[in-house]
Amino acid sequence: EDKVVQSPLSLVVHEGDTVTLNCSYEVTNFRSLLWYKQEKKAPTFLFMLTSSGIEKKSGRLSSILDKKELFSILNITATQTGDSAVYLCAVDEDSNYQLIWGAGTKLIIKP
Amino acid sequence: DTAVSQTPKYLVTQMGNDKSIKCEQNLGHDTMYWYKQDSKKFLKIMFSYNNKELIINETVPNRFSPKSPDKAHLNLHINSLELGDSAVYFCASSLSGGVTDTQYFGPGTRLTVL
Repeated sequence: EDKVVQSPLSLVVHEGDTVTLNCSYEVTNFRSLLWYKQEKKAPTFLFMLTSSGIEKKSGRLSSILDKKELFSILNITATQTGDSAVYLCAVDEDSNYQLIWGAGTKLIIKP
Repeated sequence: DTAVSQTPKYLVTQMGNDKSIKCEQNLGHDTMYWYKQDSKKFLKIMFSYNNKELIINETVPNRFSPKSPDKAHLNLHINSLELGDSAVYFCASSLSGGVTDTQYFGPGTRLTVL
């Protein structure tokens, strides 16, 4: 059965810390992996990863995919209280465009 | 057991037709959502229901009408389909609709309008 597992489920750190969120997957036909930040209403798209070893970067956020070990990490450096959110990982399965979603990591940044 | 399920997975139809997408959640959540995902993977919220009552209704053409027969179901009916309606539509649910609640997403319905 295809699945996406995120860890940890929740994380509390202090402002300025660096955090690493994990997303591991088992899918039959991998096409891409997506990261979203969910706060308030709609999740905000962060990254789409398709190739192993190529880091995607946006400001203090970065993400990389390992297709051999079947996981991705999302790094946030110099965290700020505005980074507090639920981070969702989803894998696009190739056979028919459907996303398999992880349960999310709830990140809380304390001042 | 799938927590949030959508049917159908795929929908290919002609312009002008009317179609429905169904969503069911078995998580006991009070709040359900419909999103449209664009080609850049951005998710745009369309509607949100809390306990069968509409609480979010973003700027969406009135050809789109959500229906919630009970809090476990939120269906999306689309009248007079247009080419621009082609997208992937995601249903989601959360415990109470609070801003810190995690939303649980369905696998999506890929709609293609010809």
